[in-house]
Amino acid sequence: SYELTQPPSVSVSPGQTARITCSGDALPKKDAYWYQQNSGQAPVLVIYEDSKRPSGIPERFSGSSSGTMATLTISGAQVEDEADYYCYSTDSSGNLVVFGGGTKLTVL
Amino acid sequence: QVQLVQSGAEVKKPGASMKVSCKASGYTFTSYVIHWVRQAPGQRPEWMGWINAGNADTKYSQKFQGRVTITRDTSASTAYMELSSLRSEDTAVYYCASPGRRSPLDYWGQGTLVTVSS
Repeated sequence: SYELTQPPSVSVSPGQTARITCSGDALPKKDAYWYQQNSGQAPVLVIYEDSKRPSGIPERFSGSSSGTMATLTISGAQVEDEADYYCYSTDSSGNLVVFGGGTKLTVL
Repeated sequence: QVQLVQSGAEVKKPGASMKVSCKASGYTFTSYVIHWVRQAPGQRPEWMGWINAGNADTKYSQKFQGRVTITRDTSASTAYMELSSLRSEDTAVYYCASPGRRSPLDYWGQGTLVTVSS
């Protein structure tokens, strides 16, 4: 079955750049989406279609995709950005949705 | 304004079945699919499947194939997700979600906590 792979954790100091990767074989042809989730809360979309930022999401959040890897970048990470981040996409058929394993971002 | 409102929390015994509803409003129900996603405590979200609310076509994750059934009632603008042969590992928050301009999972229901315990 199709999988998306993320690092389990990323740690940065406040003000540094955090990069969270998501790798999957279908990503060259399928868009990646990124969610931020705080404990016990519903996920919030922070990046869609690889690199687009929804309104209301701070400019420090950006996304990119190259080959089989999508990357969420938080430039100048803030303490309030500490959360779990999940990528998701579809398989090559476009019919099945797959989530990455999630990355816990620590900012301290 | 798109809204998805789900049924309330449930407690089930192992081996039983569960059925969660998701009532949609703010758009033409039959124009889009509705997805079901679950998230167990401390785990990643898991996509379970979708239903095309227009023609009732369904697609299920291989993990849940044979145990999950997604249906819809167009007259009530409501989708349902039924999961059978419940076990403790099925304890999770279950969400319905629908696509929008941004993503396949743009709008989410509030979530339904289902606890499976003897």
